[in-house]
Amino acid sequence: KNEVEQSPQNLTAQEGEFITINCSYSVGISALHWLQQHPGGGIVSLFMLSSGKKKHGRLIATINIQEKHSSLHITASHPRDSAVYICAGLNTGNQFYFGTGTSLTVIP
Amino acid sequence: EPEVTQTPSHQVTQMGQEVILRCVPISNHLYFYWYRQILGQKVEFLVSFYNNEISEKSEIFDDQFSVERPDGSNFTLKIRSTKLEDSAMYFCASKSGQETQYFGPGTRLLVL
Repeated sequence: KNEVEQSPQNLTAQEGEFITINCSYSVGISALHWLQQHPGGGIVSLFMLSSGKKKHGRLIATINIQEKHSSLHITASHPRDSAVYICAGLNTGNQFYFGTGTSLTVIP
Repeated sequence: EPEVTQTPSHQVTQMGQEVILRCVPISNHLYFYWYRQILGQKVEFLVSFYNNEISEKSEIFDDQFSVERPDGSNFTLKIRSTKLEDSAMYFCASKSGQETQYFGPGTRLLVL
């Protein structure tokens, strides 16, 4: 069964803190996406990765294929990072399975 | 920067009515997707479309749903006879190849 699980469900951090959001996925997931959903509902794709590590600005995404685990890190967090972060797995049949999201609030 | 657009931004309809949600993907993209998000729930995959045909669809995408690329630029999702439980935010996305998908801003559908 294709499943994606995220933790934590909710996260509050002080501005400047280092943040980690975790995602575990089941067998059959061949690639992982990290998405950001803003309070207004819009979705932005942050990363797509199937191995290793990717970095974009203050965001870093890693994936461990053996452990079926991915993490999204935010360095020097800022209030504008407040959003829901969603992990989504793509299976070999090209279907997406979405996690329930992590709601991040960064307090000034 | 090119972007995916969707119209309308909001739609209210009566149960049983047909609705068409429209999307204009990024112009050189070849793969198209529809997703929905019921309020307070996670995003769900509906359908993917490539080379003028459906490539994958989820269990949600039953006979009440259809997709079309009528003119080479628009990508539409039709719901034939809407139900209350179709109320959701519907997102369109597109991509050109192996890279990431670009999402539209969504259409919020409310079925009364």
